[in-house]
Amino acid sequence: AQSVSQHNHHVILSEAASLELGCNYSYGGTVNLFWYVQYPGQHLQLLLKYFSGDPLVKGIKGFEAEFIKSKFSFNLRKPSVQWSDTAEYFCAVNAPGNTGKLIFGQGTTLQVKP
Amino acid sequence: EPEVTQTPSHQVTQMGQEVILRCVPISNHLYFYWYRQILGQKVEFLVSFYNNEISEKSEIFDDQFSVERPDGSNFTLKIRSTKLEDSAMYFCASTERRDSPLHFGNGTRLTVT
Repeated sequence: AQSVSQHNHHVILSEAASLELGCNYSYGGTVNLFWYVQYPGQHLQLLLKYFSGDPLVKGIKGFEAEFIKSKFSFNLRKPSVQWSDTAEYFCAVNAPGNTGKLIFGQGTTLQVKP
Repeated sequence: EPEVTQTPSHQVTQMGQEVILRCVPISNHLYFYWYRQILGQKVEFLVSFYNNEISEKSEIFDDQFSVERPDGSNFTLKIRSTKLEDSAMYFCASTERRDSPLHFGNGTRLTVT
């Protein structure tokens, strides 16, 4: 069965620090990969997605993620975080051809100290 | 930008009672989903719905759960006889194509006492 694993459950950073959140998935076929963000009190919003092509994808608010097929990974990065990046981050995967459902990781809570 | 809207934002109910959680997906979307997130746990898939029928459901989605799209705009999740362990945040989502990103609502926090 498909599963998604996020290694970091709670990350605390100071402003301007660099961020990398790990995400690994278990699925042997072709997948679509996503990072969603949930700001306090708000809904899940799409940060970025990978379907095919360039494995380095850029999303909103300066985030990027790199798909490494050999490692089944899709890590999220940002060179310099801001206090407003404080939120919960979810990695998700779906397999083309299925019903479109997403399998989510456990989520990582990011706290950025001003 | 069009949004998925969910009502109510918070629902408190007693064990054994029926609840209906409501969602209005984005109007041109064709695929609809319910997810839930128990406090401190991951977001879990419950059910997907397309062409007026369930296309996939998880093990969580047992006979106590049902979904409907009664009028072409609303998409509802009904829990017939709530249990304490049904307490969670329930998210509705929709998408226009099954390989497109999902758009999520703000969620309904269900508290079963």
